[in-house]
Amino acid sequence: KNEVEQSPQNLTAQEGEFITINCSYSVGISALHWLQQHPGGGIVSLFMLSSGKKKHGRLIATINIQEKHSSLHITASHPRDSAVYICAVRGPGDMRFGAGTRLTVKP
Amino acid sequence: NAGVTQTPKFRILKIGQSMTLQCTQDMNHNYMYWYRQDPGMGLKLIYYSVGAGITDKGEVPNGYNVSRSTTEDFPLRLELAAPSQTSVYFCASSYYGYTFGSGTRLTVV
Repeated sequence: KNEVEQSPQNLTAQEGEFITINCSYSVGISALHWLQQHPGGGIVSLFMLSSGKKKHGRLIATINIQEKHSSLHITASHPRDSAVYICAVRGPGDMRFGAGTRLTVKP
Repeated sequence: NAGVTQTPKFRILKIGQSMTLQCTQDMNHNYMYWYRQDPGMGLKLIYYSVGAGITDKGEVPNGYNVSRSTTEDFPLRLELAAPSQTSVYFCASSYYGYTFGSGTRLTVV
């Protein structure tokens, strides 16, 4: 079993829909990261969380340390949000990465 | 700021050849990392460094070597390339958050 599990693996939405991507982890962590990987391959850091909630524009990330779970929400989704979203946790040693959620937003 | 710069972006190697993937950062970050990303899989750590002169193995170090002679540079060396090393390689640096390079797509044939 992977230490970091993401769901769903693939997600297709219509423009304007509210999106939720989930991440569960099994190790003790000091921080959780949400990353975005565009079709060109580049990886961008969206959030780093150790507790609570963070918001940046239309993106919201939450974490529940007790339940070892985090969610990434996208409000009013847009085709330019189409990308792979990766959850990563900093635990013992270095980061462990989920396999990613491929989001496609259709106009 | 350039951030993290990786070269080359693409490379095809023959089995048994060697090559060095270059990684340079201009943010004065102490921590640097090399990851590989296989299709449908999460990023896996190959090697990392906590500062100049200090390197350590990650999850999948076999077949690779690194050096860190300066804070800025963290090259990854592939010796005797094998088809199993076909992957996309990412270099990253961190201080608080992470900054990734644009990746190197390597094919070993």
